[in-house]
Amino acid sequence: GIQVEQSPPDLILQEGANSTLRCNFSDSVNNLQWFHQNPWGQLINLFYIPSGTKQNGRLSATTVATERYSLLYISSSQTTDSGVYFCAVEPNTNAGKSTFGDGTTLTVKP
Amino acid sequence: GAGVSQSPSNKVTEKGKDVELRCDPISGHTALYWYRQSLGQGLEFLIYFQGNSAPDKSGLPSDRFSAERTGGSVSTLTIQRTQQEDSAVYLCASRPGSGNTGELFFGEGSRLTVL
Repeated sequence: GIQVEQSPPDLILQEGANSTLRCNFSDSVNNLQWFHQNPWGQLINLFYIPSGTKQNGRLSATTVATERYSLLYISSSQTTDSGVYFCAVEPNTNAGKSTFGDGTTLTVKP
Repeated sequence: GAGVSQSPSNKVTEKGKDVELRCDPISGHTALYWYRQSLGQGLEFLIYFQGNSAPDKSGLPSDRFSAERTGGSVSTLTIQRTQQEDSAVYLCASRPGSGNTGELFFGEGSRLTVL
């Protein structure tokens, strides 16, 4: 099946810093999402981005489908950004079943 | 409803007992998914329902696990003869449309603890 690799596995930032999270995948995809899992376990939709670039406030994401990676940018980080960020992909050959990466655990310190 | 609703939010059971977890997807969403997340881990796919098609059960870890979806809406995940390794958060998600594209929306999960 498709392989999804997220990096870095852990990231510690000072409040106000910027960061880039990466998601590499091993096959062509027709669905890609970024989620934030907050400390209470809730999965929050950040971006649905199988290709292209999107922005939402301090967050933005870019997926380069031809090169099989996606990036999530967090600018001016806040303590409430802490949590685990997951990338989930669905390959063209097995659409409908999302495979999740192991996540990036972000800690933003005040 | 406004979002994916799961119940119970927490379930503690004794080893060997059966449990049922319920998922009520977003109204009108045709695709429904069950995932499992063990402590500190990522999400593991269990089963996927799309409309009236036969479900994709390829992620179910053993024959003790089963799921059904009645009337194309509510789904129940059943775990028979629970084991301690079944302890996890069970997450349900739904997706609009009849195709295989679009956002997944997750519920808040059912935390299962098997003693």
